[in-house]
Amino acid sequence: GQSLEQPSEVTAVEGAIVQINCTYQTSGFYGLSWYQQHDGGAPTFLSYNALDGLEETGRFSSFLSRSDSYGYLLLQELQMKDSASYFCALSGGGADGLTFGKGTHLIIQP
Amino acid sequence: DSGVTQTPKHLITATGQRVTLRCSPRSGDLSVYWYQQSLDQGLQFLIQYYNGEERAKGNILERFSAQQFPDLHSELNLSSLELGDSALYFCASSVGTSGGAHEQFFGPGTRLTVL
Repeated sequence: GQSLEQPSEVTAVEGAIVQINCTYQTSGFYGLSWYQQHDGGAPTFLSYNALDGLEETGRFSSFLSRSDSYGYLLLQELQMKDSASYFCALSGGGADGLTFGKGTHLIIQP
Repeated sequence: DSGVTQTPKHLITATGQRVTLRCSPRSGDLSVYWYQQSLDQGLQFLIQYYNGEERAKGNILERFSAQQFPDLHSELNLSSLELGDSALYFCASSVGTSGGAHEQFFGPGTRLTVL
């Protein structure tokens, strides 16, 4: 099967940069995705890495290292609206359903 | 707004009962996924349909079943409900299925409470 680990909670200051790490175990996968979920809301897609390296999408960047079974999401110029839970997810590996980590609750302080 | 609709928004029922959750995917999306989100289990993949056919199964209980109709809407049927089935159920859709559908569009969810 597949499993992912990420910190349960991260705290950062408005305007700063924060990195949310994700380590995973799998026998095969297509890529690593990141989703954001606000309290009471639905997960929304943020970023995807199929290959090793950095992908940049505005204030958000995501990184993947297949050799280290590791990825991270980098959020820059943090805003209060970025307070949410962030999930890493594996796609592929025998099914097209996503396998999600438990999520990281990002708390942003003014 | 993701373009994925789910009904009902809230559902309260009793143990042993059966309920049906409904989902309409984004226009043009052929794949529909069902996920269960609970505090203890997190966000778990249940089942996927692609263009009317079952494509993949995740951690779906035998008491649960789903189908996708010719107009591509999908229904998730939950029967013999237990207290532990109380959760948020999300439907998601994507354009296709090849290469791993990493970008999925989630509906607003149905909150199921079993009393």
